[in-house]
Amino acid sequence: NAGVTQTPKFRILKIGQSMTLQCTQDMNHNYMYWYRQDPGMGLKLIYYSVGAGITDKGEVPNGYNVSRSTTEDFPLRLELAAPSQTSVYFCASSLTGVTDTQYFGPGTRLTVL
Amino acid sequence: AQSVAQPEDQVNVAEGNPLTVKCTYSVSGNPYLFWYVQYPNRGLQFLLKYITGDNLVKGSYGFEAEFNKSQTSFHLKKPSALVSDSALYFCAVRDGVYGGATNKLIFGTGTLLAVQP
Repeated sequence: NAGVTQTPKFRILKIGQSMTLQCTQDMNHNYMYWYRQDPGMGLKLIYYSVGAGITDKGEVPNGYNVSRSTTEDFPLRLELAAPSQTSVYFCASSLTGVTDTQYFGPGTRLTVL
Repeated sequence: AQSVAQPEDQVNVAEGNPLTVKCTYSVSGNPYLFWYVQYPNRGLQFLLKYITGDNLVKGSYGFEAEFNKSQTSFHLKKPSALVSDSALYFCAVRDGVYGGATNKLIFGTGTLLAVQP
């Protein structure tokens, strides 16, 4: 049982490039989330999903897209990378969305130059 | 709107002494409260949560937290700190009002705990 896995661990992008951050969970959780963590700012919710085929925006969705075709996978897409997207990105999952604990992946550190 | 505050950026404590990491919150309904810990270059790990019931919640690694509704606080405590407890601690709150945008988990900005040997 690997929990929540994320790839890659590190990535450097040039302005305007695109990339997909991968997230997979093997706990059969319904809910999945993407957060970004900036120094001194805590975690901000980018997008979340309550099940396969259903996604919704969080606090800071601009510049990102998501899809959820399976229960296990929840990739995050950056279409036109900007320096403001330099951050650490965490994927998380929970069985349900209200009282259940969220389990986090190890994170992806992204730098946009 | 729901919010959570961690008033201290850093807490310093000597090994063996008790520690407290503070958290206050604001929600419109009943709060669901969580503490997470983040070690360097790692994801967040769940420590404990308050949903309902006993105001004193016990969690992993000897940590506990006390829910105080009148003071809208959920401070994290441990009777005897270890050097290995040094990490970044996050408080998070979700409004218990069912449905829609109010169900998102809101994180505080984090408190760095430094335990000196």
